[in-house]
Formats: sequence, C-alpha cells, structure tokens
Amino acid sequence: DAGVIQSPRHEVTEMGQEVTLRCKPISGHDYLFWYRQTMMRGLELLIYFNNNVPIDDSGMPEDRFSAKMPNASFSTLKIQPSEPRDSAVYFCASSLGVLSSGANVLTFGAGSRLTVL
Amino acid sequence: AQKITQTQPGMFVQEKEAVTLDCTYDTSDPSYGLFWYKQPSSGEMIFLIYQGSYDQQNATEGRYSLNFQKARKSANLVISASQLGDSAMYFCAMREAFSGGYNKLIFGAGTRLAVHP
Repeated sequence: DAGVIQSPRHEVTEMGQEVTLRCKPISGHDYLFWYRQTMMRGLELLIYFNNNVPIDDSGMPEDRFSAKMPNASFSTLKIQPSEPRDSAVYFCASSLGVLSSGANVLTFGAGSRLTVL
Repeated sequence: AQKITQTQPGMFVQEKEAVTLDCTYDTSDPSYGLFWYKQPSSGEMIFLIYQGSYDQQNATEGRYSLNFQKARKSANLVISASQLGDSAMYFCAMREAFSGGYNKLIFGAGTRLAVHP
C-alpha cells in the first residue's frame, strides 16, 4: 500500500493567494482527517470526514478555510485568501473505522509544509 | 483545560538505557483510547502503541511499553534499550468515545527525546 499521499510537499506563496492542499487516503479507509501542526499550537484537528461526509469541522479556523471530499480517494483543503499565520505543516491522515484499537489507528501522510510570505 | 498534558518539553537519555515519557489526560468519558506517536526530524508521524481504557494489561510493542495508571489518569511511554534512532518528538493522544466527538484524536504538546551515544 502506498500509504496516505499528500501534495504538494512544500508550498511557498504570497499573502492573499489561494492555496489548495491535496490528499489521497489509504484505499478502503473510511475516515479522513486534516491536521495542522505549528510550533505555537501543536497538532490541531481541523476537520474529519466519514464516508466522504464532513463530521466535525469545529477546528477549522475561519471561513478562509474549506475542505472537501468529493469521493473516497480524494480530499482537498483550501485556504483563500492565505495569510502568513497560516504557515504550518498540514497533515492528512486516514483510518479504517473508529480509532478504538491498535489495529484501527490514524495513518498520516508525509505532510504539506506551507509558507505564506 | 488541557485534555492531554505532556510536562516534559525535552528529555535526554544515554544509549541502551530506558526512558519514560510522561502523559496525563483528563476525561470523564468511561471509554477512551490512548495512543503514542513518534515524529522523527523527517516529519512523518509514526504510530507506536495503543492502550484502551478497559484493557486489563499494559500495552507492549517491542521495546515500547505503556505504563497505564487509570486512577491517576496517566499513560506514560517507556522505551527500553534506547537507540540513537529513537531521537524524535513523541506525542501522546487520546480519543474519547462519547464526549470527544466520537472519533477525534487530540494530541498533547509533545516531548523531544534526544538519545546520546
């Protein structure tokens, strides 16, 4: 299995530009999560989906952030317009079922490092 | 209030010795799961070990074991026979079955472990 695949790995953009981060979960996994990691705030859950449906988006910082999952094998996290404080590593992760055992765990992608100038 | 507290920002250990990384948690949910992840300098998140709140025995996975003290709400990670490759950030995380939004994994701030030769 190729694991969770994220693109781009690195993105440098200017304030005000639109940023789109992409994620392909592990085939067969029915949960998909977007996390953000910063030095100041650590790892924060932004949103998660179950069977392509958003379940909890309470961690999405503001209206500039949006996430979609049009099918079981693809999700996007969009920031429009981007700001310097959005600079972070954005992780996508997926799981098979509920996180209730050592067999059902979050598998993370390699992350997308975003720098907004 | 912090759900997951890791009080040691940094730790160091001599190669081949054991080290304990602390994690305390706060929940009123009777059913929950505790996870430990490792993040090397390359940035990926690697699952290490899981402990369920109803598990009778402490979890073990190779050189990793979890010192689970339910009454004290602590789930400390013990790494035996430390290796240079164990140098990394270590995160404790918790999923609450009912009060935490069903399938959300909340992370602590992490502990940076340095293994010295």
